[in-house]
Amino acid sequence: SYVLTQPPSVSVAPGQTARITCGGNNIGSKSVHWYQQKPGQAPVLVVYDDSDRPSGIPERFSGSNSGNTATLTISRVEAGDEADYYCQVWDSSSFYVFGTGTKVTVL
Amino acid sequence: QLQLQESGPGLVKPSETLSLTCTVSGGSISSSSYYWGWIRQPPGKGLEWIGSIYYSGSTYYNPSLKSRVTISVDTSKNQFSLKLSSVTAADTAVYYCARTYYDILTHYGMDVWGQGTTVTVSS
Repeated sequence: SYVLTQPPSVSVAPGQTARITCGGNNIGSKSVHWYQQKPGQAPVLVVYDDSDRPSGIPERFSGSNSGNTATLTISRVEAGDEADYYCQVWDSSSFYVFGTGTKVTVL
Repeated sequence: QLQLQESGPGLVKPSETLSLTCTVSGGSISSSSYYWGWIRQPPGKGLEWIGSIYYSGSTYYNPSLKSRVTISVDTSKNQFSLKLSSVTAADTAVYYCARTYYDILTHYGMDVWGQGTTVTVSS
């Protein structure tokens, strides 16, 4: 089965840049999607197809994907960005796969 | 604006079958290029995809749950449903339904989610 590994936690000061990684075997060959989930709420898609943003998502959210690592970057971090973040891919054998999740704390 | 709403019992006894329905409003479940799926999240844990269905009835299931999962669609009611058999306490979770766009290349992100419904497995 295909596995996606994320760091359990990332801490960042307001105004700084947060980078959340998602590791998977040759993930660069797949389309990666990222979700933000705040406590008690459903996940929200913030980046799809590696680097595209749905309408309404701030430009501060960006993504990249190459080799064995995909990255979600949050620029100019705000208190409201504090949440859990999950990466997700489609794999032809495992189908929909979610990463282990990363808790972003704004200091 | 498309909306999804989960419904079903909040409490299920061990060994019984969990049944949930997702009602789609503001759009048609028969729209081409969309899969409709179920995802769950145990308390304090991450997201786990359960399975997805196309309006024609074509399905994908999580290999780890496949033996216990059935997902069906009712286009006349604009609904799709989940049945998970032989449940245990490990199936206690918030269950979400969601929509995914797909094309010949891949399946894309889940862009519309329901609010989620909590299901507890307990006697």
